[in-house]
Amino acid sequence: GESVGLHLPTLSVQEGDNSIINCAYSNSASDYFIWYKQESGKGPQFIIDIRSNMDKRQGQRVTVLLNKTVKHLSLQIAATQPGDSAVYFCADLSGGYQKVTFGTGTKLQVIP
Amino acid sequence: SQTIHQWPATLVQPVGSPLSLECTVEGTSNPNLYWYRQAAGRGLQLLFYSVGIGQISSEVPQNLSASRPQDRQFILSSKKLLLSDSGFYLCALNRAYNEQFFGPGTRLTVL
Repeated sequence: GESVGLHLPTLSVQEGDNSIINCAYSNSASDYFIWYKQESGKGPQFIIDIRSNMDKRQGQRVTVLLNKTVKHLSLQIAATQPGDSAVYFCADLSGGYQKVTFGTGTKLQVIP
Repeated sequence: SQTIHQWPATLVQPVGSPLSLECTVEGTSNPNLYWYRQAAGRGLQLLFYSVGIGQISSEVPQNLSASRPQDRQFILSSKKLLLSDSGFYLCALNRAYNEQFFGPGTRLTVL
């Protein structure tokens, strides 16, 4: 079936460096791709999304890139901070009723 | 602003016992509501969604059921819990077309 998956389960980054979290997807019919952040013991929190007809979208300290040719999505976090430590999920939105399909997640560890 | 309440926050239940998890939302009307389960160290699996009172769609065959008796209430149930039902259960609503807003979750351990 269709899926959204991640390349790496864990990423360790030095505080102040930039982080890049990657994601591969297989559903070409997705309308939106979305990144969520989940801190330990909490529900996921929406970070940023990108519509399928866009290549890049920027937010506060975050940038999402979409490469439809190779079905690849990435989340870039600038000047990574300890508070960025969490599990990051890519997800896609397709079909009706705003159903979201989540990938398995990447754990980001920020080294002080 | 929207708020999601889930209770209990944590629950330990023996195998074969019944289950009832409740989710209530505030600050919105007629939302789409969703139940997800997250196994330890894994992603989120959509279990059920509801577009209105009494309307439930199941995403995967399982030992669980859901009900929506009121517009802002969503209940997850089981008659007999299995060990594999352990996990972190999250209720969510659609805050925008492309954004789901999640509640604090219920951590269920089945022994």
